[in-house]
Formats: sequence, structure tokens, C-alpha cells
Amino acid sequence: DQQVKQNSPSLSVQEGRISILNCDYTNSMFDYFLWYKKYPAEGPTFLISISSIKDKNEDGRFTVFLNKSAKHLSLHIVPSQPGDSAVYFCAAKEDTDKLIFGTGTRLQVFP
Amino acid sequence: DAGVIQSPRHEVTEMGQEVTLRCKPISGHDYLFWYRQTMMRGLELLIYFNNNVPIDDSGMPEDRFSAKMPNASFSTLKIQPSEPRDSAVYFCASSLGGMETQYFGPGTRLLVL
Repeated sequence: DQQVKQNSPSLSVQEGRISILNCDYTNSMFDYFLWYKKYPAEGPTFLISISSIKDKNEDGRFTVFLNKSAKHLSLHIVPSQPGDSAVYFCAAKEDTDKLIFGTGTRLQVFP
Repeated sequence: DAGVIQSPRHEVTEMGQEVTLRCKPISGHDYLFWYRQTMMRGLELLIYFNNNVPIDDSGMPEDRFSAKMPNASFSTLKIQPSEPRDSAVYFCASSLGGMETQYFGPGTRLLVL
């Protein structure tokens, strides 16, 4: 039973447009959420995070939105660039417990 | 500073053989994590250590898997005997002070024939 779900395995977006990656979770006790980005042959790298006391966190071109009532998390990338092409993992945790990762969404940004 | 170092980067072995994966965390980090990545299940936490002590090994699939951290700068993940279904990418990660911002190594791609 996946507590963190990324239902879209892949997404293709044109350069300059907005990329929206989605993540759903089932555990209402999760209080911290993160997005990691992974290039081929490399390990995931931390991208952005959000606490459950907030509904939005922005860092440059990246914004994470949290909808607690819907148990839904999304990552917006504006504008998308070819270098953003990677696999994106969302992750969540409860209190001091371990991170639970989703299965990932492969984003391809084409010219 | 060097990031998390893993070796080997690739491993091909035959079913039944012992496999040992190695990890050197970032100096000063007090948490170390072992993950397995598969297409079906994404990134799964196998085990994590805090100050060299195993804290949660509930993700270790079965007794064939074992992990050790003899000191703050070295950890191993061992599979004995290996099976084809163990084929995956294994990541080691480390962090300072908690679970949130983990730094991952480049991974070991394991293929068991």
C-alpha cells in the first residue's frame, strides 16, 4: 500500500511553459513534504519542501502547493527549461519518522 | 567537499552469490540511509542508522539482506544469497540532524542473473 502516490509516470512540456507535477498521499498525519529531482546515473537531490502549516512555498522557478483537505501536493515549474528534464520524486514524513517516497514522475521539457 | 560515495557503481553477479555494497557518508553527518529503487515501488527505505546504530530496519526485505555501520564513515549492505528479484539501483544517503534534507550517493546498479 503506497502512502505516497505519483499517478503520472511521465509528463512532457514545451520549453517556457508551466510544468505541474502531482502527488497524492493517504496519511493525514504527514507534516512535512519534499520534492527531489533525479538525473540519470545520479542520486536524487533535494529541490524544495513545505511544512503542513503552510499551503505554498516558492523558490525561484519552483513552487510547491499543499492542499491538506485533498491530501494533495503539487510542484509547479515556471518557466520550464530543458535542464529540468529529470525524474521528480515527492516524499512525505510524519513527525520524526522516515521519509516515504513516491514512485516518481519523469519530466521531459522539449524545445 | 566530497558527497556520499558508493561503490561499486555497477555490479553484475549470478544468483546465489554474495553481494556487498559500500557507502561512505558525508563527513559529520549522523544519519545514514539505504534505499532501493525499482520501477514498481519507487524509492524504498531499507534501513537507517543514527550515530552508527541501526534504528529502523523494517524495510529490509528478508533475512538475506543485512547492513552494518562499523564507524561514522563507512557502511555496508550485504545480500546473501542474491536472487534475480534483487536487481535494482541501491542508494545510500546521509543527513545531519534528521530526516529532511538527505544527500544521496550516485547509486549502485545491481543485476543478478
